Amino acid sequence: GESVGLHLPTLSVQEGDNSIINCAYSNSASDYFIWYKQESGKGPQFIIDIRSNMDKRQGQRVTVLLNKTVKHLSLQIAATQPGDSAVYFCGHTGGFKTIFGAGTRLFVKA
Amino acid sequence: DAEITQSPRHKITETGRQVTLACHQTWNHNNMFWYRQDLGHGLRLIHYSYGVQDTNKGEVSDGYSVSRSNTEDLPLTLESAASSQTSVYFCASSGGLAGTYEQYFGPGTRLTVT
Repeated sequence: GESVGLHLPTLSVQEGDNSIINCAYSNSASDYFIWYKQESGKGPQFIIDIRSNMDKRQGQRVTVLLNKTVKHLSLQIAATQPGDSAVYFCGHTGGFKTIFGAGTRLFVKA
Repeated sequence: DAEITQSPRHKITETGRQVTLACHQTWNHNNMFWYRQDLGHGLRLIHYSYGVQDTNKGEVSDGYSVSRSNTEDLPLTLESAASSQTSVYFCASSGGLAGTYEQYFGPGTRLTVT
């Protein structure tokens, strides 16, 4: 069946450093690949998506890279801030339906 | 401002009881979704709807039902609550415009089945 996996359940970075969160997927028949952020006690919040025919997309302080050859997705956060501490979910979307991975918890050290 | 709300935010119920969780959105979105979130499993899709009178089963639909009688609401019903249904439940909606897959999530409902 469909699945989306993550390399690490937790990631700890120093404030000001760049963060890289990785994700592997198995289903190639997806329209979009997405990243969501979930802060403690809140619902997930959309960060950025990338269409399946692209390999890179940049947002505000975030960059998503898609490598379809090895079925790998990553989220890069530049100059990580304390407010970036959260759980990050990758996922893939087809027909408006999204399949999410288990999440990576990002800790930002002051 | 448009929003998506869930009620109740916390619920404790007994095994075997019927429970309904409410979800209301004012985005005027066609698409609505219910997920459950458990440690180690991330977000798993329970049911979803692409419009009024449309409902579809997700990956973990057993023991749950939904109905869509209007655009704004998608209530989730647990027909006979089981301890395995103790979880945090999130409702989400999306506009469904071409190229727009962003989902807006509610604050969640924490359900405990004793």
